[in-house]
Amino acid sequence: EPEVTQTPSHQVTQMGQEVILRCVPISNHLYFYWYRQILGQKVEFLVSFYNNEISEKSEIFDDQFSVERPDGSNFTLKIRSTKLEDSAMYFCASSGKNEQFFGPGTRLTVL
Amino acid sequence: QQQVKQSPQSLIVQKGGISIINCAYENTAFDYFPWYQQFPGKGPALLIAIRPDVSEKKEGRFTISFNKSAKQFSLHIMDSQPGDSATYFCAAVRWISGSRLTFGEGTQLTVNP
Repeated sequence: EPEVTQTPSHQVTQMGQEVILRCVPISNHLYFYWYRQILGQKVEFLVSFYNNEISEKSEIFDDQFSVERPDGSNFTLKIRSTKLEDSAMYFCASSGKNEQFFGPGTRLTVL
Repeated sequence: QQQVKQSPQSLIVQKGGISIINCAYENTAFDYFPWYQQFPGKGPALLIAIRPDVSEKKEGRFTISFNKSAKQFSLHIMDSQPGDSATYFCAAVRWISGSRLTFGEGTQLTVNP
């Protein structure tokens, strides 16, 4: 069964450093998303991506964040200068039409 | 107006019992309501979903009840099992490709043996 994969599973970084989180969506899906979940809280939408451009972003997705589909399979989330409050689980999701399927997440810890 | 409210925050049920989790939404533009199950350290997994043109949808032991006029929907887990112990999130979204999911706060379900 096809699934969304994410790497790394855990990323530890120093405050102010750049991080890139990687995702491989399900191969025939056209819509890609990033969500985050701060420990013990609900899942929050960050950004959606379609046809090589951002289709929607939340107020959380400020200038420190960017997304890219560098090739035909990967979808990345970059945080330019990490803050302590960026510590969270980051989930990638993809959808063909409507149902969104989530990856296992990357736990980002900012020290 | 984008919020989805979920209750209870935590729920403890005996094996074989019925687990009920409730959600309410505000935005009438939402027209697809999925439930996700999340185990510790894993991503949310789609469990069951409903559209507002029906009042109930059943898949195995899982049933969604939907009340469009009250803008409420609920998940019922019949014959709850210890393996059902997880966090459950309701969500709401517009039935348009690429729309964002708006999640409820989550319910931590514990099913005791």
